[in-house]
Amino acid sequence: QQQVRQSPQSLTVWEGETAILNCSYENSAFDYFPWYQQFPGEGPALLIAIRSVSDKKEDGGFTIFFNKREKNLSLHIKDSQPGDSATYFCAASGTNAYKVIFGKGTHLHVLP
Amino acid sequence: DAGVTQTPRHEVAEKGQTIILKCEPVSGHNDLFWYRQTKIQGLELLSYFRSKSLMEDGGAFKDRFKAEMLNSSFSTLKIQPTEPKDSAVYLCASSDRAAETLYFGSGTRLTVL
Repeated sequence: QQQVRQSPQSLTVWEGETAILNCSYENSAFDYFPWYQQFPGEGPALLIAIRSVSDKKEDGGFTIFFNKREKNLSLHIKDSQPGDSATYFCAASGTNAYKVIFGKGTHLHVLP
Repeated sequence: DAGVTQTPRHEVAEKGQTIILKCEPVSGHNDLFWYRQTKIQGLELLSYFRSKSLMEDGGAFKDRFKAEMLNSSFSTLKIQPTEPKDSAVYLCASSDRAAETLYFGSGTRLTVL
């Protein structure tokens, strides 16, 4: 009920391609979905977030597509750069806003 | 503005030792979180403080893990006694709006031998 699942575990794309990271959840009460980016040796940092009332959120080259009926969402990274190589975590929270449930992450490698 | 500061960056302990990890949240943030990060389990919430009051004590982590918030700008996480399975990265995060945006520190990597 509380799980957030991410796929793939690891993704390799070439510089300039669009990377697509997937996320699904089980709890219908989740209404806030942040994505965090983590570089080695650092803590995660908020990248972009969406609320369940929206189906799309864009910020720079990052776009979240959200499907409430299917309980899934995806993060699209347009024109990927080697500097985007990092681990991306999908997360979800609901009524208890402090209880953020994190997925296990997708390791993205962008090759030059 | 200074971000979240965690010390030490690395800690090596013998099994059975007591270790104390430290965290300074972003100034003005009322919410403070302790997480454990491992490859297998991912990010797990250990403790949550709102305005220095303990709101979540992490359930399964209660017996050997104790987080305290001494004042609004300093928190500690004590693990006593340590076990090899405690080897992980411990992350502290703060927020000004109940986890809407979590600001994480760089973490403490704990190795228990």
